[in-house]
Amino acid sequence: AQKVTQAQTEISVVEKEDVTLDCVYETRDTTYYLFWYKQPPSGELVFLIRRNSFDEQNEISGRYSWNFQKSTSSFNFTITASQVVDSAVYFCALSENTGFQKLVFGTGTRLLVSP
Amino acid sequence: GAVVSQHPSWVICKSGTSVKIECRSLDFQATTMFWYRQFPKQSLMLMATSNEGSKATYEQGVEKDKFLINHASLTLSTLTVTSAHPEDSSFYICSARDQLRRTSYNEQFFGPGTRLTVL
Repeated sequence: AQKVTQAQTEISVVEKEDVTLDCVYETRDTTYYLFWYKQPPSGELVFLIRRNSFDEQNEISGRYSWNFQKSTSSFNFTITASQVVDSAVYFCALSENTGFQKLVFGTGTRLLVSP
Repeated sequence: GAVVSQHPSWVICKSGTSVKIECRSLDFQATTMFWYRQFPKQSLMLMATSNEGSKATYEQGVEKDKFLINHASLTLSTLTVTSAHPEDSSFYICSARDQLRRTSYNEQFFGPGTRLTVL
């Protein structure tokens, strides 16, 4: 069975601090996809990134960066120089590569960035 | 990117009544739609997967007679919560995918969610 673990329930930082959100996953599939979504207070999910299991290159997009390590089954997300607008709940998710490619979500990490 | 809408965005109803939530793909054909439920401060849990023109596949523990799903067209799926009770109060989110696109991964596009409160 697939499982995503986000051990950090809530993180509080002060603006301009860097913060890393951890994600550890379990799957028996050799081909799979990993995701990060942001859910602001409005509730609408915002897609941030998708990686497939064959692409372990780290990615940077502005202040966001992702570290994918298959050896430790982790897909961590770092926000550099955090801003108040980054305050949200962040979900890591895993998708199988068969059938309907259903998404399994982690429990989420609530990030609070204070001024 | 593709747009998915949900209607209504919020609804309050009395216990025992039925509530219908619509999920529409606005600019693509959604051969597959997913319905999720999210309780306060919890994660998204998949309730069911529906394919256009066929019966929905429900996840374990989800009552199919209580949560009726209809995916009658390529752009519309509906979730009806029958005989709603306060414990059904939740945030319901749909997503849609064009399963017929021949790519390695077909993106799920999420709707904005519907907040249901049952009194």
